[in-house]
Amino acid sequence: QITLKESGPTLVKPTQTLTLACTLSGFSIGTSGVRVGWIRQPPGQAPEWLALIFWEDDKRYSPSPSVNNRLTITKDTSKNQVVLTMTNMAPADTATYYCAYCSDQNYVWGIPGNVFDVWGQGIMVTVSS
Amino acid sequence: DVVMTQSPLFLAVTLGQPASISCRSSQSLVYADRNIYLSWFHQRPGQAPRRLIYKLSNRDSGVPDRFSGSGSGTDFTLKISRVEAEDVGVYYCMQGRHWPPTFGPGTKVDIK
Repeated sequence: QITLKESGPTLVKPTQTLTLACTLSGFSIGTSGVRVGWIRQPPGQAPEWLALIFWEDDKRYSPSPSVNNRLTITKDTSKNQVVLTMTNMAPADTATYYCAYCSDQNYVWGIPGNVFDVWGQGIMVTVSS
Repeated sequence: DVVMTQSPLFLAVTLGQPASISCRSSQSLVYADRNIYLSWFHQRPGQAPRRLIYKLSNRDSGVPDRFSGSGSGTDFTLKISRVEAEDVGVYYCMQGRHWPPTFGPGTKVDIK
């Protein structure tokens, strides 16, 4: 059974750096075709894609001005974890942050394709002083 | 970025009756392999989104067959043949044809 679980702080202060970990179970991020993404959802709003890491360590980031150049996604294959770092946090970054599994069966070269097959439960992060 | 729009934004349905949600993309979602990279997600209150449909019309494992997806290059529809109580929540369409993947604003479905 494929599961993902997000962990990290639930409260951060403005200007601080947020570091979230996604612990994977039932699959390996090292398997060819597998990807793991991060998506956030502000209260009452639609989800917004943030970043995606590929099995071979390629990375894609959202070009949105709201997050551009503040994101770093990494993976630790030995721990089967994916980590998202977001710098210079602001109150507008308050949201539930999800990580999601993208199956190797659905990999399509060159485009996002069929993504976010399975989601973690999410972690609500509040940015406030 | 590809802009996704949905209608209606709110839908009240009677149990056992059909329901339909529309989604439109600002660019074609047809790829060179002739597939249409449009997915549908369902989010119950307090839960994470769950993917129901991928590649326009393919149901994910465990998704009841009362859910179906259809459409063409820029216009898409999610249909529920007979609404059940567990179908309440918000439905999002999402395109995976172009970077970055983008979601629609959501359609909230409730029971009359």
